[in-house]
Amino acid sequence: DAKTTQPPSMDCAEGRAANLPCNHSTISGNEYVYWYRQIHSQGPQYIIHGLKNNETNEMASLIITEDRKSSTLILPHATLRDTAVYYCIVTGNTGKLIFGQGTTLQVKP
Amino acid sequence: DTAVSQTPKYLVTQMGNDKSIKCEQNLGHDTMYWYKQDSKKFLKIMFSYNNKELIINETVPNRFSPKSPDKAHLNLHINSLELGDSAVYFCASSLAGGRTGELFFGEGSRLTVL
Repeated sequence: DAKTTQPPSMDCAEGRAANLPCNHSTISGNEYVYWYRQIHSQGPQYIIHGLKNNETNEMASLIITEDRKSSTLILPHATLRDTAVYYCIVTGNTGKLIFGQGTTLQVKP
Repeated sequence: DTAVSQTPKYLVTQMGNDKSIKCEQNLGHDTMYWYKQDSKKFLKIMFSYNNKELIINETVPNRFSPKSPDKAHLNLHINSLELGDSAVYFCASSLAGGRTGELFFGEGSRLTVL
């Protein structure tokens, strides 16, 4: 599975959009981009995933660049409850998720 | 109803003891996993079972023995516990024999070895 690079931490003002970047320059053609988050002391929670098209669900939007070497997770209106560690994972759908260090997002009032 | 439930939530024990953590999912999934999160917060896969059959074993010491009595349950038994086994253990489940990366995780079981 391809390696991902994320900034270690980010801040966001409550009510504003949070844009979390991820680089995955070695992604191969059959690998998907998945995003998970882990709120303190809880299990990881699936957010969204995509192959090459942009995706949106009730939680977030995922923007994948045309060359698929990077992506951005967008939380459109961040709330304090969105404070968490966000993980970008590239996987070939083997069920084996390799978690990196992720980005700690702090949403501030 | 909790989708993926683990028991116990907390476990404190002495080195050398044997302990088990149980996991049950009521999502109708066919694949279950154990992940370990160490003190540095890295999450690593340990095992995966599909329909009671082991499909992923990430070179975990053989003191760790997963057991899947049916596809809704995956238990983790640990023999001769060591200090380095202290961690949070997460159970997860998914559909499609692991061919989807959409996993549902439990709340974790924090194991402390003294």
